[in-house]
Amino acid sequence: GESVGLHLPTLSVQEGDNSIINCAYSNSASDYFIWYKQESGKGPQFIIDIRSNMDKRQGQRVTVLLNKTVKHLSLQIAATQPGDSAVYFCADSDNAGGTSYGKLTFGQGTILTVHP
Amino acid sequence: GAVVSQHPSRVICKSGTSVKIECRSLDFQATTMFWYRQFPKQSLMLMATSNEGSKATYEQGVEKDKFLINHASLTLSTLTVTSAHPEDSSFYICSARQGPNYGYTFGSGTRLTVV
Repeated sequence: GESVGLHLPTLSVQEGDNSIINCAYSNSASDYFIWYKQESGKGPQFIIDIRSNMDKRQGQRVTVLLNKTVKHLSLQIAATQPGDSAVYFCADSDNAGGTSYGKLTFGQGTILTVHP
Repeated sequence: GAVVSQHPSRVICKSGTSVKIECRSLDFQATTMFWYRQFPKQSLMLMATSNEGSKATYEQGVEKDKFLINHASLTLSTLTVTSAHPEDSSFYICSARQGPNYGYTFGSGTRLTVV
């Protein structure tokens, strides 16, 4: 992702709505992408991943879309619940490794707030 | 599933002292571990990548003499913040993976406060 030293953007939704969180990445060589959820004071929690040979992948209530042409990633959360409130980060990796050992680069992050 | 234990979860130290943070993979062998730093309301910034038995690779702008990383075994990596100053106060997070075809498992983070 493109990580800058700015405060995180926010997204507020009502319980039951669908949420869409977007992310841009900059490394054209990235071939593996992950979405993480981070709650206050905790480490990132894996949500869903996608490899560069796919453009869509679905999980339970979540869908990740990948557009390699414009280097854009999105996370869709269906029927958002108050427990989904957290900070969401995308991360990308040149998973082929080489000398980078597949290090993850995190995007800026988005604060999701779900109102009951 | 893969579990990474990070200790301590919180630490307060005086300016000028050193602090060691441990990251352990509990049920797998971590050939590679990563250390991140996160300031409030910001993203995770990679500090360094460590591979078992070899020197860590530091990201640009990270002082290797200040942030000492040791990855002496396949289940343990340590980050030592030497001569800590208030500006080193941050949330430090480790991540481990078993190899190139495996996922990344994160620790729960360490909140360091330097007073």
